[in-house]
Amino acid sequence: DVQLVESGGGLVKPGGSLRLSCAASGFTFSSDTMNWVRQAPGKGLEWVSSISSSSYYIYYADSVKGRFTISRDNAKNSLHLQMNSLRAEDTAVYYCARFAVGRSIDYWGQGTLVTVSS
Amino acid sequence: DIQMTQSPSSLSASVGDRVTITCRASQDIANYLAWFQQKPGKAPKSLIYAASSLQSGVPSKFSGSGSGTDFTLTISSLQPEDFATYYCQQYKNYPYTFGQGTKLEIK
Repeated sequence: DVQLVESGGGLVKPGGSLRLSCAASGFTFSSDTMNWVRQAPGKGLEWVSSISSSSYYIYYADSVKGRFTISRDNAKNSLHLQMNSLRAEDTAVYYCARFAVGRSIDYWGQGTLVTVSS
Repeated sequence: DIQMTQSPSSLSASVGDRVTITCRASQDIANYLAWFQQKPGKAPKSLIYAASSLQSGVPSKFSGSGSGTDFTLTISSLQPEDFATYYCQQYKNYPYTFGQGTKLEIK
């Protein structure tokens, strides 16, 4: 079974940094594009970033460009999101999601909560 | 960026009803449209991709249609477990964008 397990969330002060991780299992991780999607408390879903299977193609939402960096380690079946210069508006549950070729996003992790507050 | 607009924002229905949710894109996205279901405190669940194809394991009570700019999600014979928030998402172009969500409530 496909499993995506996020970790690394927590409370951080404005301007601080945090690194999220997503451990993947149950599929050939190196074959699929991976995404981060977030959801602020009481709000809708917001796509954050995507990384292609080989890391060749990387995309970011304008709201995080220049502050967040997505990366992956195919040898360790892991996805990461380095978040710097965090702001209060980055407070959200962050989901790791697989984008299967031809099937859009098909699996989601359980999410990890990031709270940016002084 | 492509804007996705869902209607209605909320919807009340009864068990056994059939409901339809609409999603409109600000430009042509062909059939690069997905639908997701989310229950309170839970991760989203993927329902439909390519506008009308069911993800693995999703019951046939869910159906999607449309292409270009106008899309619909139809849920037949509503059961208590179907009451949730539904989101559409375009994946034609980056940045991928979601609709604002439609909250389906029990009448």
